[in-house]
Amino acid sequence: DQQVKQNSPSLSVQEGRISILNCDYTNSMFDYFLWYKKYPAEGPTFLISISSIKDKNEDGRFTVFLNKSAKHLSLHIVPSQPGDSAVYFCAASALPLVFGKGTRLSVIA
Amino acid sequence: NAGVTQTPKFRILKIGQSMTLQCTQDMNHNYMYWYRQDPGMGLKLIYYSVGAGITDKGEVPNGYNVSRSTTEDFPLRLELAAPSQTSVYFCASSSGTAQETQYFGPGTRLLVL
Repeated sequence: DQQVKQNSPSLSVQEGRISILNCDYTNSMFDYFLWYKKYPAEGPTFLISISSIKDKNEDGRFTVFLNKSAKHLSLHIVPSQPGDSAVYFCAASALPLVFGKGTRLSVIA
Repeated sequence: NAGVTQTPKFRILKIGQSMTLQCTQDMNHNYMYWYRQDPGMGLKLIYYSVGAGITDKGEVPNGYNVSRSTTEDFPLRLELAAPSQTSVYFCASSSGTAQETQYFGPGTRLLVL
């Protein structure tokens, strides 16, 4: 049973617009969440994280929102750029991390 | 700073052959992990280690073995390769706590025919 779900396998967005990637989790014990970005033929790289004591964390063009009551988090990318085209994985803190299946973002110029 | 390195980058195996995927990290991390990623799927944990001499099974350990004799190295052994083991394998390391970032290697693409 998946504890971390990314229900959209893919997303296409025009350059300059907002990209919103969603993630749901089932385990209320998770208290820290991370987003990883993966380009083809490379390993995933850490992008941004959020603790459950916060509802928002910003880093430049990337913002992660956490809604604990809904067990939902989202990653916003504004403005989206062609270089953002990648697969994005949501992960929940546990040892080891629990990853979602990923969402492939395509930013169209 | 090399981070996490993996060798080989790509390998073709015949059914029944065995091989070792190498992983080395130079960040003095205690925790190391092996994942596999099948097409269209997320990362599935095969094995992990919390320190030299200590390993534990992940979600999909069958058909694999690991050892951790040093902090730096965490090789993954495939015995009797099967087509179901065709995948991309990623090694990762972290300093330890659940809130610490995992650093991934570039991956090894394995094809079993």
